[in-house]
Amino acid sequence: GNSVTQMEGPVTLSEEAFLTINCTYTATGYPSLFWYVQYPGEGLQLLLKATKADDKGSNKGFEATYRKETTSFHLEKGSVQVSDSAVYFCALSANAGGTSYGKLTFGQGTILTVHP
Amino acid sequence: NAGVTQTPKFRVLKTGQSMTLLCAQDMNHEYMYWYRQDPGMGLRLIHYSVGEGTTAKGEVPDGYNVSRLKKQNFLLGLESAAPSQTSVYFCASTLSGLFSGELFFGEGSRLTVL
Repeated sequence: GNSVTQMEGPVTLSEEAFLTINCTYTATGYPSLFWYVQYPGEGLQLLLKATKADDKGSNKGFEATYRKETTSFHLEKGSVQVSDSAVYFCALSANAGGTSYGKLTFGQGTILTVHP
Repeated sequence: NAGVTQTPKFRVLKTGQSMTLLCAQDMNHEYMYWYRQDPGMGLRLIHYSVGEGTTAKGEVPDGYNVSRLKKQNFLLGLESAAPSQTSVYFCASTLSGLFSGELFFGEGSRLTVL
């Protein structure tokens, strides 16, 4: 079956530090990959996505590149801010002949705390 | 625009009690989902629906039932609550067709079963 594995958290950084959150996946076929973010007290929201190998998704200074050879989709940001403190989820959608019906498989989530 | 609204936001139940969580979306989305979020386990899909009158099982459906009588509403029921169902429940929706990957989530419903 499909699965997503994220690096263990929590991650604690100082403001302006570099961020990497590792994500690897197992899936048949050619999945689409996503990063979702959950701010305190809120639901998840899409941060960025990539739908095919070598695509780079980017948003709000965050980036992630779809690496099929290493089955990875690591999230990076060059300079984090206090407002980036949240839980980050890596996820995949299996593109199995159009029958995935939008179902996502999520990783376990990584808690990020950024201190001033 | 309200988006996805879940009620109630908090509930405490005793073992064996029943309850229903309501999810309402005002975006005319075809697909709707119920997930549960547990520490260290991410989100797991309970049930989903691809249109009015349809439902299907997800990854962890046991102990839950759902109904989609109206396109905008997706109800999650617990007939006999168990402590293992203590969790945060999220409803989500998306437009059908070519799936863009963007699910729209509600703010969550925290359920505690004693």
